[in-house]
Amino acid sequence: DSGVTQTPKHLITATGQRVTLRCSPRSGDLSVYWYQQSLDQGLQFLIQYYNGEERAKGNILERFSAQQFPDLHSELNLSSLELGDSALYFCASSETGVRYNEQFFGPGTRLTVL
Amino acid sequence: DAKTTQPTSMDCAEGRAANLPCNHSTISGNEYVYWYRQIHSQGPQYIIHGLKNNETNEMASLIITEDRKSSTLILPHATLRDTAVYYCIVRGPMNYGGSQGNLIFGKGTKLSVKP
Repeated sequence: DSGVTQTPKHLITATGQRVTLRCSPRSGDLSVYWYQQSLDQGLQFLIQYYNGEERAKGNILERFSAQQFPDLHSELNLSSLELGDSALYFCASSETGVRYNEQFFGPGTRLTVL
Repeated sequence: DAKTTQPTSMDCAEGRAANLPCNHSTISGNEYVYWYRQIHSQGPQYIIHGLKNNETNEMASLIITEDRKSSTLILPHATLRDTAVYYCIVRGPMNYGGSQGNLIFGKGTKLSVKP
């Protein structure tokens, strides 16, 4: 158990819909990262937040957005869903104040768009 | 960040050492070598990291060549539960506020441990 929790575990929805994925980082971790893993693209970094502020952006679509709240949990919002958005979405957190990057990953949310 | 090259797949007999190679010939002086693994659709798991010296922890050993252009992850006594995709990642140190922290995953090496 990494200490990172993600809800829901599974999500099935239809094209055009909007969903919200939730992540709670390990206690005390200020950084939260979101990754997408699809069969054809592998693990891809989407976005990072640090203490409520966006820190880095990867290949995140404009239809996707995220935020980190004062209690440090984060939400990833996916809208106007397409079939190709079906994937595993992982959240990770990392310890504050260290220079090396050991990330702790949650169990993921499996999104299926029908 | 330096690009890494890993074999697509490897087999290892249970109980034997698994040696997973990684080439990172363009690594910069301040870049770390990280190893993560992903067991079938679970979240990736950190294994070990190193800068210049060889490192060992309860999971594995990391051997980095003197010129730092390649490294080897060693699982000393592989078990069936070590069957996973192993990712070698090269990344610079994190800046203040966690910048430069995102990991860039390649395709990794699929390790199959066989009885």
